[in-house]
Amino acid sequence: QQQVKQSPQSLIVQKGGISIINCAYENTAFDYFPWYQQFPGKGPALLIAIRPDVSEKKEGRFTISFNKSAKQFSLHIMDSQPGDSATYFCAASLSLNNAGNMLTFGGGTRLMVKP
Amino acid sequence: NAGVTQTPKFQVLKTGQSMTLQCAQDMNHEYMSWYRQDPGMGLRLIHYSVGAGITDQGEVPNGYNVSRSTTEDFPLRLLSAAPSQTSVYFCASKRLAGGETQYFGPGTRLLVL
Repeated sequence: QQQVKQSPQSLIVQKGGISIINCAYENTAFDYFPWYQQFPGKGPALLIAIRPDVSEKKEGRFTISFNKSAKQFSLHIMDSQPGDSATYFCAASLSLNNAGNMLTFGGGTRLMVKP
Repeated sequence: NAGVTQTPKFQVLKTGQSMTLQCAQDMNHEYMSWYRQDPGMGLRLIHYSVGAGITDQGEVPNGYNVSRSTTEDFPLRLLSAAPSQTSVYFCASKRLAGGETQYFGPGTRLLVL
């Protein structure tokens, strides 16, 4: 059973447009919600992350919106650029006592930004 | 710092063969983990370790073994490869105390025929 559901699977956006990727989670014990960006042939890299006590976090053109009651969070990419073309993964983390966080990933969204 | 390194980059196996995927990190991270990435499934945790001599199972551990004899290295062993293990494998590491960011290696693409 997938605990983090991500949509859409693929997204095409024109340069300068807004890209929006949505995720929903089931486990209310999750306490850390990162987004990872992956370019072809590379490993995922942390893009931006949020904790459930904050409803929004912005870093440059990237914003996470978090809705705790709905158990949903989303990534918004403003002024999307061709260089943003990549696969994006949302994730949720469950802290384990003295054992670090175990990340549960969504299925991924392949974003293509057309010039 | 090289970060997280993985070898090999690509491997072809026949069903029933065994092999070890290597992972090393030079950031002195306590936590290391292995994921597999399959289309539409995201990344799924196979095994993880919070320090030398300590390992535990993740979401999809069957068919894989791990050991952690040093802080730097965390090899993943396939004892008897099956076509269902065709995937891209990523190793990741992070600090335990106050460390949220996981750093991923470049991946190993495995094809089991």
